[in-house]
Amino acid sequence: DAGVIQSPRHEVTEMGQEVTLRCKPISGHDYLFWYRQTMMRGLELLIYFNNNVPIDDSGMPEDRFSAKMPNASFSTLKIQPSEPRDSAVYFCASSLGDRGRHEQYFGPGTRLTVT
Amino acid sequence: TQLLEQSPQFLSIQEGENLTVYCNSSSVFSSLQWYRQEPGEGPVLLVTVVTGGEVKKLKRLTFQFGDARKDSSLHITAAQPGDTGLYLCAGDDSNAGKSTFGDGTTLTVKP
Repeated sequence: DAGVIQSPRHEVTEMGQEVTLRCKPISGHDYLFWYRQTMMRGLELLIYFNNNVPIDDSGMPEDRFSAKMPNASFSTLKIQPSEPRDSAVYFCASSLGDRGRHEQYFGPGTRLTVT
Repeated sequence: TQLLEQSPQFLSIQEGENLTVYCNSSSVFSSLQWYRQEPGEGPVLLVTVVTGGEVKKLKRLTFQFGDARKDSSLHITAAQPGDTGLYLCAGDDSNAGKSTFGDGTTLTVKP
């Protein structure tokens, strides 16, 4: 398996623009997680899905953030409009969730810079 | 809310030294993972511990899960520059669909 795939790897955009981050989880994994990582706040869970259904979005910072998982092999995280404080590395991860264990496999991340 | 505290936050040592990093909580976890993250990459799973008191070894790395399943430690013997990175622990609650991550320990091993 190719592992978790994220695109783009780097995104530079201007404040106010819409940003869409994409993720392809590992085939057969039931759970998909979106995280944001910054030096100040560490790794933060934004939202996670189980069998394509959003379960907990309490980590989504504002209504400007939205996430979808239209099928088992694809998810998007959208920021509209983007702001400079959204600059961070965004990770997607997937897991089997077998027996309550979430051994997560992370993608390489998308480094977002909002100017 | 379950919290995981990792210590130390930063650690800088010379090649060949031994070290231990800690992951502590007041909550009980059904299982716990350790990850290592290198600059510019995502975290990579190293190990999962499940049973209280469990010890797992991965080459020069030794992982231990506390008897009460509230804490864990990672010991590295004869550290090498390739061990440099951010070490994250994450605890699972079997009733929750997600893991709780600690803030990590940043390890630098100087040649």
